[in-house]
Amino acid sequence: DSGVTQTPKHLITATGQRVTLRCSPRSGDLSVYWYQQSLDQGLQFLIHYYNGEERAKGNILERFSAQQFPDLHSELNLSSLELGDSALYFCASSVSLPPQYEQFFGPGTRLTVL
Amino acid sequence: AQSVTQPDIHITVSEGASLELRCNYSYGATPYLFWYVQSPGQGLQLLLKYFSGDTLVQGIKGFEAEFKRSQSSFNLRKPSVHWSDAAEYFCAVGAGSGNTGKLIFGQGTTLQVKP
Repeated sequence: DSGVTQTPKHLITATGQRVTLRCSPRSGDLSVYWYQQSLDQGLQFLIHYYNGEERAKGNILERFSAQQFPDLHSELNLSSLELGDSALYFCASSVSLPPQYEQFFGPGTRLTVL
Repeated sequence: AQSVTQPDIHITVSEGASLELRCNYSYGATPYLFWYVQSPGQGLQLLLKYFSGDTLVQGIKGFEAEFKRSQSSFNLRKPSVHWSDAAEYFCAVGAGSGNTGKLIFGQGTTLQVKP
């Protein structure tokens, strides 16, 4: 158990819908990262937040957005969902700013878009 | 562009045999390198990391990796594989500038262990 929690574990929804994935980092960790894992794209970095501020964006679609709240938990919002958005979404956290600090990964949220 | 290549998509070894998983990276500066393992239905667990110093790094579960700058490689090794090592293994490079935390992952190598 990494100490990073993600909810829900599974999510099944329809095309065009909007969902919110939630992540609670390890106690004391200030950095939160989101990654997408799909069969065709592999593991892709989406976005990094540090202490409430966005630090970096990767291959994140405009339909996707994220935020980190004052209590340091983070949410990833996915809207106008398409079949291709079906994937495993991981959240990770680290104590401080990378790269010297290990990223601890949560168990992931499996999103299925029908 | 920064990238990580894991040439072997699938590897099968017998229990007790030695293991080497290959990883090649492309990165302009001194890389921060990682190996993660993902068991079915689980998140990623860090096996080991290289930031600087000794090019042979030891990790958890008896794994080690050697950084070879001249070959742009960071291969993962284990002298004797256990059935519980069957999983997917990912090599990654920390590629963010200005502490952005971006990890670039290879496509992964699935390890199957024969009894």
